[in-house]
Amino acid sequence: GENVEQHPSTLSVQEGDSAVIKCTYSDSASNYFPWYKQELGKRPQLIIDIRSNVGEKKDQRIAVTLNKTAKHFSLHITETQPEDSAVYFCAAGNAGKSTFGDGTTLTVKP
Amino acid sequence: EAQVTQNPRYLITVTGKKLTVTCSQNMNHEYMSWYRQDPGLGLRQIYYSMNVEVTDKGDVPEGYKVSRKEKRNFPLILESPSPNQTSLYFCASSSQGAYEQYFGPGTRLTVT
Repeated sequence: GENVEQHPSTLSVQEGDSAVIKCTYSDSASNYFPWYKQELGKRPQLIIDIRSNVGEKKDQRIAVTLNKTAKHFSLHITETQPEDSAVYFCAAGNAGKSTFGDGTTLTVKP
Repeated sequence: EAQVTQNPRYLITVTGKKLTVTCSQNMNHEYMSWYRQDPGLGLRQIYYSMNVEVTDKGDVPEGYKVSRKEKRNFPLILESPSPNQTSLYFCASSSQGAYEQYFGPGTRLTVT
């Protein structure tokens, strides 16, 4: 089955700095790679996703890159703000099936 | 309002007492999934369904059952709960084309 590894497990940055979270996956059949943000006590919410036929996608301060050959994808957050503090999860899969990474706790210090 | 609902939100039960957690979505989504979330382990998929009467195992299906008799509902059944099934459970749904998952509010289950 699919195996997703996510690094780092914790990340602390100063407000205004950039944050990068990386994930690797094992199953070449995976074609959908979403990133979810989960605030304390709340449900996960999608912040950005990418399909296997796309190398990069950007939405304001958030971007995701995908390297299919190396089987890794990354989340980039620029100009971080205190409200970006949360747990971030990557996932890999396809129709229905989805395997998540263990999460990264991002802390943005004002 | 488009949403995924789960009931109950909190449940404390004893070992061996059968229970069902309900999940319902009003977005006409084809795909539905159940996850459990434990500290440091992220979300692990228990079962998923791609349509009515079509279900498949996720990564941690042992000890759980599901059914999909109607498109909007996807109940999770624990026939004989054990303490290692104490966890936070999320239901999610997505459409066949978009894949983006919408999560329910979660059910915190404690098995003593």
